[in-house]
Amino acid sequence: KQEVTQIPAALSVPEGENLVLNCSFTDSAIYNLQWFRQDPGKGLTSLLLIQSSQREQTSGRLNASLDKSSGRSTLYIAASQPGDSATYLCAVPYYGNNRLAFGKGNQVVVIP
Amino acid sequence: DADVTQTPRNRITKTGKRIMLECSQTKGHDRMYWYRQDPGLGLRLIYYSFDVKDINKGEISDGYSVSRQAQAKFSLSLESAIPNQTALYFCATSDTSQDGYTFGSGTRLTVV
Repeated sequence: KQEVTQIPAALSVPEGENLVLNCSFTDSAIYNLQWFRQDPGKGLTSLLLIQSSQREQTSGRLNASLDKSSGRSTLYIAASQPGDSATYLCAVPYYGNNRLAFGKGNQVVVIP
Repeated sequence: DADVTQTPRNRITKTGKRIMLECSQTKGHDRMYWYRQDPGLGLRLIYYSFDVKDINKGEISDGYSVSRQAQAKFSLSLESAIPNQTALYFCATSDTSQDGYTFGSGTRLTVV
């Protein structure tokens, strides 16, 4: 079974600092990896999807890297803003891509 | 309209009552999923369906049932609700193994 770990579980940074969120997974035979954002009590918004053949994906201030062989992905958020405060979830398919394994999230607070 | 719509958004029900959560999608995806989210436990898969005639149990299916009424509709039922089914419930869709997942906004269910 795929196990996904996200470190750190929670962090607070001053506005303007760059954020680095880490995700590790145990089974490197993945199809893709997806990063989501979740605001308290709300739904999951997809941020980036990285295919297994890709090394990174970028969207605006967000950049996600993938090192499949070492079972790691990193989400970088440049020049953080208070609106970036949320929980960020990493997810990878497993069980023949029939299921999605989630980490427990990186809870981020950006201090104005 | 949202790609994945869940109704109701919030529901309070009494122990022993039957309740149905509904999900509809406009993505045209074949695969649909029900997850629940609990603080500290993350997201866990309840049921998933790859087409109208295909229903599969996830990690925590006990106490739940599902119905795939059409490609676009997937409902989750609690036959006799109990307090430990209080959680945030999410419906999701995906297409092929190369596509990511799209989540609904969630249903907050409280069983008293």
